[in-house]
Amino acid sequence: AQKVTQAQTEISVVEKEDVTLDCVYETRDTTYYLFWYKQPPSGELVFLIRRNSFDEQNEISGRYSWNFQKSTSSFNFTITASQVVDSAVYFCALSEIDTGGFKTIFGAGTRLFVKA
Amino acid sequence: EAQVTQNPRYLITVTGKKLTVTCSQNMNHEYMSWYRQDPGLGLRQIYYSMNVEVTDKGDVPEGYKVSRKEKRNFPLILESPSPNQTSLYFCASSPLAVPYNEQFFGPGTRLTVL
Repeated sequence: AQKVTQAQTEISVVEKEDVTLDCVYETRDTTYYLFWYKQPPSGELVFLIRRNSFDEQNEISGRYSWNFQKSTSSFNFTITASQVVDSAVYFCALSEIDTGGFKTIFGAGTRLFVKA
Repeated sequence: EAQVTQNPRYLITVTGKKLTVTCSQNMNHEYMSWYRQDPGLGLRQIYYSMNVEVTDKGDVPEGYKVSRKEKRNFPLILESPSPNQTSLYFCASSPLAVPYNEQFFGPGTRLTVL
């Protein structure tokens, strides 16, 4: 069965520290898609990145980077030089084809506190 | 402005009183979905719809109904709400009904069932 585990419930860092949010997933399919979403204190959900199971290239976008490793079923997210505005809940998600269409499973989320 | 709207944003109701939460998107997306968010559990998918008149259960469909009569609308119906349905609900949509597209989320509806 599909499963997404974000073992870190809360992380607290001081501004300018680097921080990595872990995501481990389980799936039986060979074709699947992974996502990260951000939920700031205002409550909306903001898309950050997607990866398909055939693309293990790491990605960097400004201070954000993602490390996808199929061998360990992980899709970790690193924020370099964290800022107070990075304080949010971050969700990792897995989407794959199901009999009726496609389903999405979210992890429980990691709440990141960045202190000034 | 491209968006997903939900109404109401906040609702307090009592056990057993039928309610509907509306969801509408103006992006012509085929795929729409409902999630509930609970502390420590993340978002869990309730129902999804691949297109008009095509709906299917997510992981937590019990106690909910949906319909998709028009492409833009995907209402969530609670026929007899119970306190365990107190939650934050999100509607989402994405184009082309394929799993690699990111989902666009509405602002959320906070429901309290007394």
